[in-house]
Amino acid sequence: NAGVTQTPKFRILKIGQSMTLQCTQDMNHNYMYWYRQDPGMGLKLIYYSVGAGITDKGEVPNGYNVSRSTTEDFPLRLELAAPSQTSVYFCASSYSTTNTGELFFGEGSRLTVL
Amino acid sequence: GQNIDQPTEMTATEGAIVQINCTYQTSGFNGLFWYQQHAGEAPTFLSYNVLDGLEEKGRFSSFLSRSKGYSYLLLKELQMKDSASYLCAVTDSNYQLIWGAGTKLIIKP
Repeated sequence: NAGVTQTPKFRILKIGQSMTLQCTQDMNHNYMYWYRQDPGMGLKLIYYSVGAGITDKGEVPNGYNVSRSTTEDFPLRLELAAPSQTSVYFCASSYSTTNTGELFFGEGSRLTVL
Repeated sequence: GQNIDQPTEMTATEGAIVQINCTYQTSGFNGLFWYQQHAGEAPTFLSYNVLDGLEEKGRFSSFLSRSKGYSYLLLKELQMKDSASYLCAVTDSNYQLIWGAGTKLIIKP
């Protein structure tokens, strides 16, 4: 099993550019999440999905969009990149419907916006 | 507001024991997680506590006191590979997961 796979691992963007971070999982988990991690801060939830066709905003959704057309895939779209979006992004999935189960994380995508 | 506090950084010696504390103030409680995160890598699950007491898993143990809003992660027989950040996270009454900023543990030979 590959688990949760994220691409790309590293990316440099110019201000105003757009890009999509890809995330796929092969564990048949219904719950999927996108987090960002900034130095000295806890993980912040951007968006999450409870199943195909259903997405919802987390704590810090501004500047981002997601879609969930299949159980496996949960891409994160950055529109009009800004320096404040420089961060490490983690996709995660879980079998739990109540945040009482283990999260399985992808390896992370390090994004720099210049 | 909701808050999770843990020390920013700790240093310990190889072979020793270290205790990493986590205190939380959240709207309700539905469980507490500890994750390990090596530099440049993803967090990986260590433990989950929902009832008071100590959960032991090999060299790692996690303790919870719900009345005190307090948990600790105990690492025994420290190895160099234990150098990592340790993240505390709490599931609140709305089943939202709240994360602490993490404790960076440095192991010295």
